[in-house]
Amino acid sequence: EIVMTQSPATLSVSPGERVTLSCRASRSVSTHLAWYQQKPGQAPRLLIYDASTRATGIPARFSGSGSGTEFTLTISSLQSEDFAVYYCQQYNDWPPWTFGQGTKVEIK
Amino acid sequence: EVQLVESGGGLVQPGGSLRLSCAASGFTFSAYTMSWVRQAPGKGLEWVSYITTTSSTMYYADSVKGRFTISRDNAENSLYLQMNSLTAEDTAVYYCARVWRPFDCWGQGTLVSVSS
Repeated sequence: EIVMTQSPATLSVSPGERVTLSCRASRSVSTHLAWYQQKPGQAPRLLIYDASTRATGIPARFSGSGSGTEFTLTISSLQSEDFAVYYCQQYNDWPPWTFGQGTKVEIK
Repeated sequence: EVQLVESGGGLVQPGGSLRLSCAASGFTFSAYTMSWVRQAPGKGLEWVSYITTTSSTMYYADSVKGRFTISRDNAENSLYLQMNSLTAEDTAVYYCARVWRPFDCWGQGTLVSVSS
């Protein structure tokens, strides 16, 4: 099973700031890496797939990068609606599909 | 509009059973593999089960293997999860998700609480 590790666990930021979230895989997942956003009481929403491709309707301020075992989600200028928990997920080697433990982006 | 709507959650005693349903609309359900994912209160996401388009192959997380059964009815555009021998560790919101590369569409979830 591939273990996904996200850092940091919590990030306190101000609106307008640039945010970088990290995700590490225990072994290579190529570029089969997705990012999800989850707000309280809502289902996860797909933001990025194939490590760097934005899903339909996702604003350009969200970008993903990386390959192999190291990945990054960047939010270029944090908006109020972006405060949420972000999860990475690998879909290179399954089952099981595995998720990181999440990074909470909170208001500073 | 793609829509997934789960139902069937509720409060059940330890050792009990529950059957979850997921009604799909807005896309060709029979063309997509599907999964169930759960989230315990205040915790992260855990993949639970997967089924292919024709139900030829199913996978389960080790934590539910032998207790849960995934199924689908393409004629009814529905996905199911039969959950038996439930324990407190199965308490979670259960989401159905369409599998396309990762999981591209999710339902709103249904809460399963296992408690005496």
